[in-house]
Amino acid sequence: KAGVTQTPRYLIKTRGQQVTLSCSPISGHRSVSWYQQTPGQGLQFLFEYFSETQRNKGNFPGRFSGRQFSNSRSEMNVSTLELGDSALYLCASRGQPGMDGYTFGSGTRLTVV
Amino acid sequence: SQQGEEDPQALSIQEGENATMNCSYKTSINNLQWYRQNSGRGLVHLILIRSNEREKHSGRLRVTLDTSKKSSSLLITASRAADTASYFCATDLNTGNQFYFGTGTSLTVIP
Repeated sequence: KAGVTQTPRYLIKTRGQQVTLSCSPISGHRSVSWYQQTPGQGLQFLFEYFSETQRNKGNFPGRFSGRQFSNSRSEMNVSTLELGDSALYLCASRGQPGMDGYTFGSGTRLTVV
Repeated sequence: SQQGEEDPQALSIQEGENATMNCSYKTSINNLQWYRQNSGRGLVHLILIRSNEREKHSGRLRVTLDTSKKSSSLLITASRAADTASYFCATDLNTGNQFYFGTGTSLTVIP
């Protein structure tokens, strides 16, 4: 079956702009999580959605938001971009929280200039 | 703060040798998982060990879990150049379905 699909793969944005990243989970997976990965901070948890509800949120400012649709596809949005938002954004899905491992997408590489 | 920390941060070995990475965590867990990440790519799930299990095998991988010491180890036997990657442990906590990644071990296998 198809894996987790993230679009776009690469993105270059200017400070102050906003960006929307998309994630299509594995078919049947209702849990979708987002992570930010940078060389300095490692993998930082952004948020997790399950059946369209945000279950957990990491320690990120309100500029970072997300949502999940009824088909389990998810989007995350970052408004008023800052240089420090440059990172690899990873989406992951799993079938049953607390029971299954995550399947990750290849990520979206965001560069803010 | 992050739940897990891997040790060592970096490891370099010759092809054919065994590689051992350790992970320590802070609070009670539901399960612990290990992932591999090749440079700049997404993470690949390797193995999941539940809190009531002590050891698990998958191919050349062997994972142990000691809940009394809040630690886990990943052993890769007969390493290959293709095993070169970063390895992360991740803890699935008992409460709130929170999931945390450690800082990672960078493994280099020299052909």
